Amino acid sequence: DIQMTQSPSTLSASVGDRVTVTCRASQPISTWLAWYQQKPGKAPNLLIYKASNLQTGVPSRFSGSGSGTEFTLTISSLQPDDFATYYCQQYSSFWTFGPGTKVEIK
Amino acid sequence: QVHLVQSGAEVKKPGASVRVSCKASGYTFSSFKINWVRQATGQGLEWMGWMNPHSGDSGFAQKFQGRVTMTRDTSTSTAFLDLSSLGPEDTAIYYCARDLNYYFDYWGQGTLVTVSS
Repeated sequence: DIQMTQSPSTLSASVGDRVTVTCRASQPISTWLAWYQQKPGKAPNLLIYKASNLQTGVPSRFSGSGSGTEFTLTISSLQPDDFATYYCQQYSSFWTFGPGTKVEIK
Repeated sequence: QVHLVQSGAEVKKPGASVRVSCKASGYTFSSFKINWVRQATGQGLEWMGWMNPHSGDSGFAQKFQGRVTMTRDTSTSTAFLDLSSLGPEDTAIYYCARDLNYYFDYWGQGTLVTVSS
């Protein structure tokens, strides 16, 4: 099974900050990676697919990069609506989610 | 627009079974696989399995083999998750999600399943 890790587990940031979340796969997954945002009490929401493709309707301040085993999600200028938990997901071999990164207000 | 609407919360005793439904609308149900993902309180997301509404085929994560079934009713565009031999560790929110190209573009609102004696 492919294992996913994320760092940091919690990130404290202010509105306007540039934020980066890292996701690592236990074996190469090419670019078969998605990122989701989840707010409390809500279902996850797709942000990025195939490592760097922005889902329709997602603000352009979100971007993704990486391939192989290391990936990043970047929020260029953090907005109040972005405080949430972010999960990466590999879909190279079945599906596995990372443990999540909570972005909280500093 | 695409909607996945799930059935309501359930409370079950240990050893029982539960069925969660997921009614799709706004697209051709048989054209996209449905995946099921669960989330224990305060925990991360755990993929459970997939179901192809066109063929009825399904596949599951190893840990659920033998006690999970995923089916569908194409006449009502509804997918079903059945989980048996419930234990307290199965207490979680269960989500259905549409599989676009192996990533999940639409999700149901979630169904809380509580297992308690």
